[in-house]
Amino acid sequence: DAKTTQPTSMDCAEGRAANLPCNHSTISGNEYVYWYRQIHSQGPQYIIHGLKNNETNEMASLIITEDRKSSTLILPHATLRDTAVYYCIVSNTAGGTSYGKLTFGQGTILTVHP
Amino acid sequence: DTGVSQNPRHKITKRGQNVTFRCDPISEHNRLYWYRQTLGQGPEFLTYFQNEAQLEKSRLLSDRFSAERPKGSFSTLEIQRTEQGDSAMYLCASSLVGGRGYEQYFGPGTRLTVT
Repeated sequence: DAKTTQPTSMDCAEGRAANLPCNHSTISGNEYVYWYRQIHSQGPQYIIHGLKNNETNEMASLIITEDRKSSTLILPHATLRDTAVYYCIVSNTAGGTSYGKLTFGQGTILTVHP
Repeated sequence: DTGVSQNPRHKITKRGQNVTFRCDPISEHNRLYWYRQTLGQGPEFLTYFQNEAQLEKSRLLSDRFSAERPKGSFSTLEIQRTEQGDSAMYLCASSLVGGRGYEQYFGPGTRLTVT
């Protein structure tokens, strides 16, 4: 699986948009970009994923550049409860029996301030 | 609650003892994963099942570790002759093969402390 690079930490004011970047310059054509977050002492929580197109769900938006070498997770109105470690993961889940595992890096510690 | 559940949530054991953890996935999910997470690190993949078949094992999974998923439902992870280095959070996740990608849903984890 391709590696990802994320900033170690970011801050955001409550109510503002949080934009978390991720570089994945070695991504291959059948690899998806996944975002998970982990609040202290809890299991990781799935946020969103995409292949080529931008995606939006009730939690966040995912913007993937046209060359797919980077992406941005957007939390449109951050709250204190969004304080967590955010992981950007590239994973080959196109099919078959040997795919689907997630390789977590260090992630970005997002701190939302009042 | 239809999420992934794990039991026990916490386990303290003495070095050399055997421990077993249980994971109950989301009912219709056919893939089940085990990860391990030590303090300050991201989760590390250990193994996964598709239905009852164990398809991949990480080299982190020494021969003291064994995982089963009988009948493709719940799974157990056993650690024999525990060592202090086994102290970690053990996470289980499940997913449904197919569609646009296999997002995984994680349980709350079992925190193991080996004294």
